[in-house]
Amino acid sequence: GAVVSQHPSWVICKSGTSVKIECRSLDFQATTMFWYRQFPKQSLMLMATSNEGSKATYEQGVEKDKFLINHASLTLSTLTVTSAHPEDSSFYICSAREAGGRGDTQYFGPGTRLTVL
Amino acid sequence: GDSVTQMEGPVTLSEEAFLTINCTYTATGYPSLFWYVQYPGEGLQLLLKATKADDKGSNKGFEATYRKETTSFHLEKGSVQVSDSAVYFCALNNRNSGNTPLVFGKGTRLSVIA
Repeated sequence: GAVVSQHPSWVICKSGTSVKIECRSLDFQATTMFWYRQFPKQSLMLMATSNEGSKATYEQGVEKDKFLINHASLTLSTLTVTSAHPEDSSFYICSAREAGGRGDTQYFGPGTRLTVL
Repeated sequence: GDSVTQMEGPVTLSEEAFLTINCTYTATGYPSLFWYVQYPGEGLQLLLKATKADDKGSNKGFEATYRKETTSFHLEKGSVQVSDSAVYFCALNNRNSGNTPLVFGKGTRLSVIA
């Protein structure tokens, strides 16, 4: 149990286009999902906290108009990278925390590798 | 604020060697402690966890004991395999801080050679 999926697993796009990444909790409901960015050989950098039915909370330095987050249901959160540029190329990872139940464990998706040409 | 410090890598071991990756934390109250593993090109997988002092988390031959007196949660494995090569992250969740994300250490890269 406690599986989180991401789609797509990788994407290549042209500079200036927008890319949407989906994060789904497959067998549990997640009131809170988190979006991270990871550069090669580095730790995870938290971008934002996404709460179902409310606006996301962004970390300092993360542009909310650049990285649009929508947590439309208890099993789905999306991250849209708008007008992507090569510097947005990175590995994006989402995680979900189950509502009640298993409490404070975060379960991670497999990640999405974004390459902007 | 809360923080996690883990030994810097990379750590290179021969197959069947003993592994220790040190992790210490700073937090108010009684956090839950976690070890996650990240294999190349993949997301993070929960390896083990402990929610209170003296708890031992274990999985796949890995163990870690929640030591409140030393604020530590060191990861150990008696005999590593090549397939254990990955990056290991120590993390904590401070339940006193509400619905906040995990606080991660910087990760320790382990390479096991045959």
